[in-house]
Amino acid sequence: QQQVKQSPQSLIVQKGGISIINCAYENTAFDYFPWYQQFPGKGPALLIAIRPDVSEKKEGRFTISFNKSAKQFSLHIMDSQPGDSATYFCAAMTGGFKTIFGAGTRLFVKA
Amino acid sequence: EAGVAQSPRYKIIEKRQSVAFWCNPISGHATLYWYQQILGQGPKLLIQFQNNGVVDDSQLPKDRFSAERLKGVDSTLKIQPAKLEDSAVYLCASSLLNTQYFGPGTRLTVL
Repeated sequence: QQQVKQSPQSLIVQKGGISIINCAYENTAFDYFPWYQQFPGKGPALLIAIRPDVSEKKEGRFTISFNKSAKQFSLHIMDSQPGDSATYFCAAMTGGFKTIFGAGTRLFVKA
Repeated sequence: EAGVAQSPRYKIIEKRQSVAFWCNPISGHATLYWYQQILGQGPKLLIQFQNNGVVDDSQLPKDRFSAERLKGVDSTLKIQPAKLEDSAVYLCASSLLNTQYFGPGTRLTVL
């Protein structure tokens, strides 16, 4: 019940294309859903986040879509660039700030 | 603003030896987290502090792992004795509210 399932495990996209990463959760106590970006040798860094009372949030080329009834959310990266090549983690957080991370998606954007 | 500092960045030890990691969070951040990130997986929470009190240590292997956060600022994570399966990156993060800021991590190799 505490798991966050993330797919795909890896993704290859052409430059300018759309990258889509999906996540699903079970625990309805989660009330904050961040996405983190991690480059090799670095710690994860917050990319964008959403609360369950909002169905979509957009920041620049990054959009989160949230489906509360299906308990699913996804990250869309528009106009993907080689600099976006990294590992992306979805996460779910409870009110006590405990965070459960997905397994990660390794994105490679081909120039 | 200075980020989360961790040391050492790399550590190689033999099994059954002891090791300690240090973390200095962002000034003013009350919540401090230690995560274990095994290669190819998402970060797994080991322990969460609120000031100098433990909020969650349910996934900390207490027979070999210990952590403390004296004076509610710096924190140390210790492993004694280490096992081969402890090879991972140990990430420290701190937060004021929902957003966690991660340090660069300590890569531990147990031989």
